[in-house]
Amino acid sequence: GAVVSQHPSWVICKSGTSVKIECRSLDFQATTMFWYRQFPKQSLMLMATSNEGSKATYEQGVEKDKFLINHASLTLSTLTVTSAHPEDSSFYICSGSAGSSYNEQFFGPGTRLTVL
Amino acid sequence: DQQVKQNSPSLSVQEGRISILNCDYTNSMFDYFLWYKKYPAEGPTFLISISSIKDKNEDGRFTVFLNKSAKHLSLHIVPSQPGDSAVYFCAASGRVTGGGNKLTFGTGTQLKVEL
Repeated sequence: GAVVSQHPSWVICKSGTSVKIECRSLDFQATTMFWYRQFPKQSLMLMATSNEGSKATYEQGVEKDKFLINHASLTLSTLTVTSAHPEDSSFYICSGSAGSSYNEQFFGPGTRLTVL
Repeated sequence: DQQVKQNSPSLSVQEGRISILNCDYTNSMFDYFLWYKKYPAEGPTFLISISSIKDKNEDGRFTVFLNKSAKHLSLHIVPSQPGDSAVYFCAASGRVTGGGNKLTFGTGTQLKVEL
């Protein structure tokens, strides 16, 4: 399958600061990228869907001003957690899709965010 | 509201035997179901899928069964191998308005295949 990378793999930050997570599709062009959040023992929850060059579509209950998503190119999407708080501590996973088929969605390894 | 549920957080099976992972869903609009496998520190990888127009799909050692009336699907792995030890996620999607290829995931089942 295609490869998606995430950077950083883990990050610790102080409460009130902002953190940027990068998601890159290494060997394909991702027309759509998805951002998920996973709390311990829970499922991956879709946060937002972004198409290259357009604004992200956020799921209900996800604050778009807090979780800024940029999908400026077909190989890069970024998620910025602004004014992070301890409750934002979670595992963030991105995925990229080159087509409309469900099984063409390729996941990154995830980023562990800990907010102190 | 958990629309896709995997009620068994863990499952332990002996090598060579059958592993059966279960998944239930509540949204009747779902029309496509997928299973993903996840190793620690890696993202989920696609394993097998099934459309709602089918009740069975087989790929090598992996078979997925769908019972639409019961809103239940299961993944069978036979024979199970130690390398199958991982977390397995069930996911569902449907062509609802704006749905595209959005996935709704279950909570996962940790499978351990013992020697």
